[in-house]
Amino acid sequence: KQEVTQIPAALSVPEGENLVLNCSFTDSAIYNLQWFRQDPGKGLTSLLLIQSSQREQTSGRLNASLDKSSGRSTLYIAASQPGDSATYLCALHSGGYQKVTFGTGTKLQVIP
Amino acid sequence: DVKVTQSSRYLVKRTGEKVFLECVQDMDHENMFWYRQDPGLGLRLIYFSYDVKMKEKGDIPEGYSVSREKKERFSLILESASTNQTSMYLCASSLGTWNEQFFGPGTRLTVL
Repeated sequence: KQEVTQIPAALSVPEGENLVLNCSFTDSAIYNLQWFRQDPGKGLTSLLLIQSSQREQTSGRLNASLDKSSGRSTLYIAASQPGDSATYLCALHSGGYQKVTFGTGTKLQVIP
Repeated sequence: DVKVTQSSRYLVKRTGEKVFLECVQDMDHENMFWYRQDPGLGLRLIYFSYDVKMKEKGDIPEGYSVSREKKERFSLILESASTNQTSMYLCASSLGTWNEQFFGPGTRLTVL
């Protein structure tokens, strides 16, 4: 059974810092990995999708990497801003048909 | 951009009522999903549909049913609402099996 862990559960950083969010998984037989952000009381916004054959994806100040051999993905946020404050979740497609496993998220606060 | 809409942002119902949650997507996606999100438990898949009139149970289907009469619309039905169904309900859609998932804004359901 795929297990997805995001540590830390919460993170607070000053504005302007570069930061890394972590996502660990137990089964490396994945199809893809998706990073989302969720603002309080809202739905999930897709940030990046990395296919199993890829090592990284970039969008603006965000860079996501995937290392299947170590069961790890990281989301790098450059020059953090208060607007980046949200909960960040990773989700993995693996195992059977339509099986997606979500992490429980890292709550990020960027302090002005 | 893909747009997924949900019929209500907030809903309050009484125990025993029949509850309908509606989800509509405008990008001709094949797959649609219903999740619930609870603190400490993350997102859990209730049901998904890979085609009109086709549905599959997710991890926690008990107490729920679904309907997909048209490709763009996926409904979640609580036949007899109970207090333990108080939760945030999230709908999502994707083009195909391993494609990026796009989420709606969520419905916060409270069952009294």
